[in-house]
Amino acid sequence: EAQLVESGGGFVQPGGSLRLSCAASGFTFSPYWMLWVRQAPGKGLVWVSRMNSDGSTISYADSVKGRFTISRDNAKSTLYLQMSSLRVDDTAAYYCARESYYALEVWGQGTTVIVSS
Amino acid sequence: QSALTQPPSVSGSLGQSVTISCTGSSGDVGSYNRVSWYQQPPGAAPKLLIYEVTNRPSGVPDRFSGSKSGNTASLTISGLQAEDEADYYCFSYAGSYTMVFGGGTKLTVL
Repeated sequence: EAQLVESGGGFVQPGGSLRLSCAASGFTFSPYWMLWVRQAPGKGLVWVSRMNSDGSTISYADSVKGRFTISRDNAKSTLYLQMSSLRVDDTAAYYCARESYYALEVWGQGTTVIVSS
Repeated sequence: QSALTQPPSVSGSLGQSVTISCTGSSGDVGSYNRVSWYQQPPGAAPKLLIYEVTNRPSGVPDRFSGSKSGNTASLTISGLQAEDEADYYCFSYAGSYTMVFGGGTKLTVL
């Protein structure tokens, strides 16, 4: 069974940095586009970033461009999100997801990031 | 990258049908048949219901159906069941490798 497990969330002060990881198992990771999605407490889903299979095509939401960096290690079947210059409004649950036909068919359980002084 | 527009809430009685709309623009929903829909129960991760406007992944009941007209996509849930009570989100390709979600709709089953 395809599974995604996020980790790396936690408490960080404004201006700080954090790296999230998403470990994939139960499927061949390398061919898939992968994404990060976030959800602030009590709010809706927001697309954050997207990367193709070999990392040559990357896109970001305007709200995180220049501050967040998506990357992947296909040998380790792991997706990453390096977050820097964190702001209070980056507080959210962060989900990684596997994309197929422009849809998110497998989701992780999420990892929570809290940005607060 | 403006969020797609969904009604904040809809409701329907057991056994009835409801339709949730998702309005975008010619830059996203209107230009691409790459709209998907997700169900998110409270405290859980989202689940894919519909992809490419009308297609259902295996295991999703045929009570869930999708359609699109112009810049608006729609999700219809027929034969409402108590377990359908959840938040629903649309999601679309928006060009230049970017994606966008709708604001979400809370479905209440009466």
